[in-house]
Amino acid sequence: GAGVSQSPRYKVAKRGQDVALRCDPISGHVSLFWYQQALGQGPEFLTYFQNEAQLDKSGLPSDRFFAERPEGSVSTLKIQRTQQEDSAVYLCASGEFPGELFFGEGSRLTVL
Amino acid sequence: KQEVTQIPAALSVPEGENLVLNCSFTDSAIYNLQWFRQDPGKGLTSLLLIQSSQREQTSGRLNASLDKSSGRSTLYIAASQPGDSATYLCAVEGQVAAGKSTFGDGTTLTVKP
Repeated sequence: GAGVSQSPRYKVAKRGQDVALRCDPISGHVSLFWYQQALGQGPEFLTYFQNEAQLDKSGLPSDRFFAERPEGSVSTLKIQRTQQEDSAVYLCASGEFPGELFFGEGSRLTVL
Repeated sequence: KQEVTQIPAALSVPEGENLVLNCSFTDSAIYNLQWFRQDPGKGLTSLLLIQSSQREQTSGRLNASLDKSSGRSTLYIAASQPGDSATYLCAVEGQVAAGKSTFGDGTTLTVKP
């Protein structure tokens, strides 16, 4: 596709439910990043893939968060047993390393 | 740990004014610095990327400068327009944690007609 595509754009989950957020990066980009953005703040790094290898997951806030990119293209961020503090916008970006980042529109998660 | 600060947090100017947004970072060991624009409820749109070896980049009415040694970057917007109203974010990609970009909290710009 022409840009980074994320789905769903909006997700409402009850506390304790599992959610899965999908990111389809720009074709050919080997690097893929997940960021979390709270209201009024800049994005915070979660994890980084180069092809299918997860090179850095230091930003994942707990072991309830899991990300994968099994074939080096589409990535899924999974959050188990969601908590209210997980409510945020989850942004995916792709790019070359090192180089310009291209972001998707984000997935807004609200946990009730 | 890299820290990125953007000042001011908010700025309101009349249409046509030239303005400067500031970004400072604590660790000068960087690959690049990137400026983004974010409209409400939207993702980030890349404006300018400055490699660590560069001093500035220009695109239309935008000019970004980088002084790596002092840990500062500025985004200059000439002849501002109401359509420039948005939040502007800077991000630094460090050499130590390669691939990881650290963002500031942004400057929210309002350009009044």
